[in-house]
Amino acid sequence: QVQLVQSGAEVKKPGASVKVSCKASGYTFSHNYMHWVRQAPGQGLEWMGIIHPTDGSTNYAQTFQGRVTMTTDTSTNTVYMELSSLRSEDTALYFCARASTVTTGPFDYWGQGTLVTVSS
Amino acid sequence: DIQLTQSPSFLSASVGDRVTITCRASQGISSYLAWYQQKPGKAPNLLIYAASTLQSGVPSRFSGSASGTEFTLTISSLQPEDFATYYCQRLNSYPLTFGGGTKVEIK
Repeated sequence: QVQLVQSGAEVKKPGASVKVSCKASGYTFSHNYMHWVRQAPGQGLEWMGIIHPTDGSTNYAQTFQGRVTMTTDTSTNTVYMELSSLRSEDTALYFCARASTVTTGPFDYWGQGTLVTVSS
Repeated sequence: DIQLTQSPSFLSASVGDRVTITCRASQGISSYLAWYQQKPGKAPNLLIYAASTLQSGVPSRFSGSASGTEFTLTISSLQPEDFATYYCQRLNSYPLTFGGGTKVEIK
């Protein structure tokens, strides 16, 4: 069965960087793009960007341009999201989500979420 | 960017009620709209994609429809497990965006 397993919770100081991993299994990794979405406490969902699993091409939301880097490792079927220059507003639950290959490409499988807390 | 306006933001309903949630796009997005259900502390779960296609495994009491730039999620008979927050999402162009969410609570 398809699984996306994310790395554990992180606590970071303002100005630091965080790198979250998302390991995929149960399907052919190269067949599906991967997205990252975050959710601040008590807030809605915010799309961060997308990465192609094999060639590593990306498209980032303007909000995160210059601070986010998404990468892929085909040897371990893992995608990564690194966010730099962290501030308190980056405290959120970060999700990876697989883009389905059906029409319009909705997000059919999600990771369990990684809580990133930014606090001095 | 194309915006999605979801309404209502909060809804109080009883088990067995018919519930309708609306999502309006600021521009045409064809049928590039999905609906998700999210429970506290959990990842969202895909319910509907391409505006009206039911995701495999999702109960048939959930349905989606579209008319121009207005999209609707309907739950025909609300069940106890349906109390959650619902989000629409457009997928036609980057940046992808979500609606603000509708929290469905027990009356």
